[in-house]
Amino acid sequence: DAKTTQPPSMDCAEGRAANLPCNHSTISGNEYVYWYRQIHSQGPQYIIHGLKNNETNEMASLIITEDRKSSTLILPHATLRDTAVYYCIVRASLRGSSNTGKLIFGQGTTLQVKP
Amino acid sequence: EAGVAQSPRYKIIEKRQSVAFWCNPISGHATLYWYQQILGQGPKLLIQFQNNGVVDDSQLPKDRFSAERLKGVDSTLKIQPAKLEDSAVYLCASSLGSSGGMFLSEQYFGPGTRLTVT
Repeated sequence: DAKTTQPPSMDCAEGRAANLPCNHSTISGNEYVYWYRQIHSQGPQYIIHGLKNNETNEMASLIITEDRKSSTLILPHATLRDTAVYYCIVRASLRGSSNTGKLIFGQGTTLQVKP
Repeated sequence: EAGVAQSPRYKIIEKRQSVAFWCNPISGHATLYWYQQILGQGPKLLIQFQNNGVVDDSQLPKDRFSAERLKGVDSTLKIQPAKLEDSAVYLCASSLGSSGGMFLSEQYFGPGTRLTVT
C-alpha cells in the first residue's frame, strides 16, 4: 500500500504557483520522498526527489518539513501543460536492505491548471 | 536519447484469448519494470528485471501472466487467458539500475499499451 496521502484534486490559475501537499507521517529515516506526474495518455514522468533538505530543479521545488512527515511540491509558474496527475511516493534507500527500490503509487492529486 | 518503446499501443481482445506486449528499454538500462494501471488508479508494479533476472514478481498473477527478458534487453509480457479485469494500461519502465546501494537514475516510462478485454 502507498504510504502517502494526497488530496484527490486541485485547481490552479495559469501563471500562478501550484502547491501540492503530501502527508507521509510514517516515513522512515532511510526513505526518500519522490514526485512523479502523469499527463493524460502518457507514462509517468519523474519530477524531483529529496530526503530531508529542500530541493529545486528546472521543473519544481520540493519542500520537506523538519519532522519529514509532510512535503509540498511547488510548480512556480503553472502552465496549461502542467495539468496532470501528481504522485507523491515514499521510496526506501537500497542501502542495507533487500529493498528493490520499486515505486508504490497511490491515486495521486489531479491538478487542473485553468486559463 | 530515444525513450522507452512499447507496442502495440492499443489492443482489444475477447476474454480467454491471449495477448503479448513488447517493450524496448532505453539503451544501457539494466533494470526493466512492467506496471499495470487500471483506470482511475496509480500504476502497480507487476515485475522487475535486473538484466535478465527477476528481482520482484510478487504482484504478478502467475497463473495467467508471464514475462521474460531473455537477453537482458527487450522484454515481453504475456497474458493467457485474459479476463475482463485485465483491462488496463500496461506500462513499461526502465532505469540504469543501482550501484553501491544507490539508485543510478530514475525510472523512465514508455507510453503504455491500452488493453481492452471484452
